[in-house]
Amino acid sequence: GAGVSQTPSNKVTEKGKYVELRCDPISGHTALYWYRQSLGQGPEFLIYFQGTGAADDSGLPNDRFFAVRPEGSVSTLKIQRTERGDSAMYLCASSLNQGTPGFFGPGTRLTVL
Amino acid sequence: GDSVTQMEGPVTLSEEAFLTINCTYTATGYPSLFWYVQYPGEGLQLLLKATKADDKGSNKGFEATYRKETTSFHLEKGSVQVSDSAVYFCALSGGGGSNYKLTFGKGTLLTVNP
Repeated sequence: GAGVSQTPSNKVTEKGKYVELRCDPISGHTALYWYRQSLGQGPEFLIYFQGTGAADDSGLPNDRFFAVRPEGSVSTLKIQRTERGDSAMYLCASSLNQGTPGFFGPGTRLTVL
Repeated sequence: GDSVTQMEGPVTLSEEAFLTINCTYTATGYPSLFWYVQYPGEGLQLLLKATKADDKGSNKGFEATYRKETTSFHLEKGSVQVSDSAVYFCALSGGGGSNYKLTFGKGTLLTVNP
């Protein structure tokens, strides 16, 4: 596709459940980023991939959060034992090489009931 | 750590009015500064950037100048249009090290009425 896509656009789950959020970056982009945006706040960095490896996962809030990018393209953000505080918009972005991203995807809005 | 403070919204203007959205930052070192825009129903996109002091970033009639002495990067446009209605985010990177990790302000909602 022309831009970064994310699926699903909305996800409602119950406390304690496991969720996966998918990001399809722009074709050929080696760098991929995940951010989280809570209501009324700016996005906050979660993790950065260069190729298949997580070059910086310092923003992941705790060990319930994990992300993979096994083939260096699509990435999946995985959240175990979801909590109400995990409710937020999860944003993905990509760039050709390491550096600040030009375009973000439209996001996945996660609601934990 | 690094932080960005931007003018709280919402900001409501009439078409052709002058726009200023204030942004100040706190960072170690020499960060790069950015404005991102989020149009309704779309993802964030980079509007403009400046990488060193006194640089001016510009795009689509918007401008912002990197002022190190006042640690500011205010966004301006001389004549706004209805199509400029969006949320605007000021951001920085590279202040404390990494050049890929963005620190964002809270965003400012701009509504332009015809």
